[in-house]
Amino acid sequence: GAGVSQSPRYKVAKRGQDVALRCDPISGHVSLFWYQQALGQGPEFLTYFQNEAQLDKSGLPSDRFFAERPEGSVSTLKIQRTQQEDSAVYLCASSPWVAEWNNEQFFGPGTRLTVL
Amino acid sequence: GQQLNQSPQSMFIQEGEDVSMNCTSSSIFNTWLWYKQDPGEGPVLLIALYKAGELTSNGRLTAQFGITRKDSFLNISASIPSDVGIYFCAGPGSGNTGKLIFGQGTTLQVKP
Repeated sequence: GAGVSQSPRYKVAKRGQDVALRCDPISGHVSLFWYQQALGQGPEFLTYFQNEAQLDKSGLPSDRFFAERPEGSVSTLKIQRTQQEDSAVYLCASSPWVAEWNNEQFFGPGTRLTVL
Repeated sequence: GQQLNQSPQSMFIQEGEDVSMNCTSSSIFNTWLWYKQDPGEGPVLLIALYKAGELTSNGRLTAQFGITRKDSFLNISASIPSDVGIYFCAGPGSGNTGKLIFGQGTTLQVKP
């Protein structure tokens, strides 16, 4: 079946531009996560949704980062006034379980953001 | 905060050799996950461990949940070229909200 998909796969932005990154989770998955992966590092947690509710946004690095999942399926991660330090791969993951019950997550291919 | 340390950072081995890598934590984990990431792709779940002392296999891969609950090991037997990639261990972050903490990864290269 179809896995997690993300778009665009690559995004180049000029410093100060706003960007929006899309995640289509596996159909029916309850939980959705966003991670940021810097070059040569492991993914770092940004935020977690259970259906449409954002239950944890403790990993968002600044108030320039905003995520939503209005209908409990597709999610968008928005970064306002991008800075060079925002350059990274942004990974989306989904899970059929409520996160508190099971930690297995299934990742998409990521969006590589480069801020010039 | 919670940290996961993986070793070795990188390995360069001959095809057919066995591989062993490990992950240690500064705190107790009740779940250990092992992922593999290929260049330009997202991490793919290989093995999940839920019980201290548990030994689980997935084909040529075997992983163990350490008795102290602060470490885990991944072994790959008879390596092949497609085993090349970065292997990450991961465990649940504090607060039980499902977020995962990842190690920094072990990069594996296999020489045919």
